Amino acid sequence: EPEVTQTPSHQVTQMGQEVILRCVPISNHLYFYWYRQILGQKVEFLVSFYNNEISEKSEIFDDQFSVERPDGSNFTLKIRSTKLEDSAMYFCASSRDIYNEQFFGPGTRLTVL
Amino acid sequence: SQKIEQNSEALNIQEGKTATLTCNYTNYSPAYLQWYRQDPGRGPVFLLLIRENEKEKRKERLKVTFDTTLKQSLFHITASQPADSATYLCALEGQLTGGGNKLTFGTGTQLKVEL
Repeated sequence: EPEVTQTPSHQVTQMGQEVILRCVPISNHLYFYWYRQILGQKVEFLVSFYNNEISEKSEIFDDQFSVERPDGSNFTLKIRSTKLEDSAMYFCASSRDIYNEQFFGPGTRLTVL
Repeated sequence: SQKIEQNSEALNIQEGKTATLTCNYTNYSPAYLQWYRQDPGRGPVFLLLIRENEKEKRKERLKVTFDTTLKQSLFHITASQPADSATYLCALEGQLTGGGNKLTFGTGTQLKVEL
């Protein structure tokens, strides 16, 4: 069964450093998403992406964040200058269209020291 | 403001019983609602999606109802098993904005099925 994959599973970085989180969505899906979950809190939407552009973003997704689909399979989230409060699990998700279920990856645990 | 509420307290039930989880929402008119399962340190796993014109949906031992008048969804697991122990998340679709759609999640209800 096709699934969303994410790498790395765990990333440790120093405050102020740039990180890139990578995702491979399900191959025939057209809509891609990033969510995050701070430990003990709920899953929060960051951004949605369709047709090579951002379609919606939350207030969390400020200028420090960017997303890219550099080729036909990868979808990345970049944080330019990480802050302590960026420490969280980051989940990538994809869906066939906007009216159907979203499938989530296993997540990348980001720890900012 | 928009709000989604799930039972914040953990639900403990005996194996074989039916677990019922509640999701209430306010200031929303979602076109559909989804239920996910999340295990510790893992990503949400999709279980069921129900649309606003559907009252009930079933999948194996799972059943979900959606009452748009009460603004409530109920999620049932029949013949529960210890392997069903997890956190169950309710998620509502946000406002459609052309090319994409966001999900807004509740805080989840932790279910523990005991032998």
